[in-house]
Amino acid sequence: NAGVTQTPKFQVLKTGQSMTLQCAQDMNHNSMYWYRQDPGMGLRLIYYSASEGTTDKGEVPNGYNVSRLNKREFSLRLESAAPSQTSVYFCAVRLAGGTGELFFGEGSRLTVL
Amino acid sequence: AQKITQTQPGMFVQEKEAVTLDCTYDTSDQSYGLFWYKQPSSGEMIFLIYQGSYDEQNATEGRYSLNFQKARKSANLVISASQLGDSAMYFCAMREGRDNAGNMLTFGGGTRLMVKP
Repeated sequence: NAGVTQTPKFQVLKTGQSMTLQCAQDMNHNSMYWYRQDPGMGLRLIYYSASEGTTDKGEVPNGYNVSRLNKREFSLRLESAAPSQTSVYFCAVRLAGGTGELFFGEGSRLTVL
Repeated sequence: AQKITQTQPGMFVQEKEAVTLDCTYDTSDQSYGLFWYKQPSSGEMIFLIYQGSYDEQNATEGRYSLNFQKARKSANLVISASQLGDSAMYFCAMREGRDNAGNMLTFGGGTRLMVKP
């Protein structure tokens, strides 16, 4: 999706490996989010950042860390991946000034063996 | 308790017919927002329609309308004149409180809609 770029799109890890999912926006919005979507389920919030320099836990933060590097970038790190973290990860930005809807990136599919 | 409940895991609809996807929500806030997203098989999340808790009129966006019944805490999505391209997962979501920086959306489990030719 134009505006929110996630990398990588696909990743396979072994249990215990670490990795960072990158998210960058060119939409100049303050609030950014990381969600995960398990097969056949809705999205659950992992962490969010209301503005540059702040981060907060969501519904399922265990096993993850985040960094809001600047206004554009919000990364999600798995320090020691577990099979339970196999999921599709979505980064989103909140579109301020209107409905407050979230605009999502295309998602990153992560498999932990 | 679930904040957003979508009770229909899967639904079929005949092409060109209308279909209603159910969503009920639970909040004690007076100010909140309700959203519907579409997720086609390609995986992206597409925003469809929004309803604010203080909006007196039901929201409409083209073939999409939101049947908002505040007393019943329901926000059903109505798709008129279904098309084959409407086949997708549909998610209902809620923002509690006023729209502010950092507000999060809570999602329901989704409904898979399949449009039959």
